[in-house]
Amino acid sequence: GAVVSQHPSRVICKSGTSVKIECRSLDFQATTMFWYRQFPKQSLMLMATSNEGSKATYEQGVEKDKFLINHASLTLSTLTVTSAHPEDSSFYICSASQGAGYGYTFGSGTRLTVV
Amino acid sequence: GESVGLHLPTLSVQEGDNSIINCAYSNSASDYFIWYKQESGKGPQFIIDIRSNMDKRQGQRVTVLLNKTVKHLSLQIAATQPGDSAVYFCAERAGGTSYGKLTFGQGTILTVHP
Repeated sequence: GAVVSQHPSRVICKSGTSVKIECRSLDFQATTMFWYRQFPKQSLMLMATSNEGSKATYEQGVEKDKFLINHASLTLSTLTVTSAHPEDSSFYICSASQGAGYGYTFGSGTRLTVV
Repeated sequence: GESVGLHLPTLSVQEGDNSIINCAYSNSASDYFIWYKQESGKGPQFIIDIRSNMDKRQGQRVTVLLNKTVKHLSLQIAATQPGDSAVYFCAERAGGTSYGKLTFGQGTILTVHP
C-alpha cells in the first residue's frame, strides 16, 4: 500500500533557529501534500496544501513566511519552521494524495520541541 | 494556538463490548468522509471511509453510518479489543473550490479495559 515517510520523528531546537521536516511518498506520486499541526489532546489543524510545482496555499492564520513549504517533486515536500519559538512546539503531520479519486496517506509525524 | 481547557470526549468500554463513536460534521457540501485511528505519538491510521451517496459501509469489525440530514457520522466497532484503545477522528472532505482538503473533527478517546 501507499507509504509516506516523515523525518525526523523528533527534533529539539533552540529558539530562533530553523527546522526542516521532510515528507516523502515512497511508492506513489503525490500530486498534493498537506501539512497539519496538532497540539496535545487536540485535533489535527490543516496548515497548508501544496501541489507539486506550485506555491502552497495556506490556511487562514498560518504565517507563510514562518512556515515555508516546498513541494518541488512528486515525491517530496518539506516544511521549514523559521525562527522557531517555544509556542511553535507541536506535532507536525504530513499527508499525501495522488489526486482526485485517491485517498490520503499520512506520515508518522514529527514532534518539534523548541527550547 | 492551543485552546485552554479543551477536553476530548472519552469512551470507556470493556473488552468484547461494541463501541459507538459519534461525530458531527460541519459542511453540508462535503462528499467524502473518513474515520482515522491515532495512537499516541503517531500519525492517523485509516480505518474506513464512506462517500456521501451512501449511508452505511461495513469493514472488518467496523461499520460507518452517515446521516446527511443531521450531518452526523458514527463509527461502530464490534467486539472491541484493548488494541483498539486510541483517539478516533472523523474527517470530511470539502467539495467545491476547497476540493481535496480534509477537515478533522474533535476526536474521541477510546479506552478498552481488559
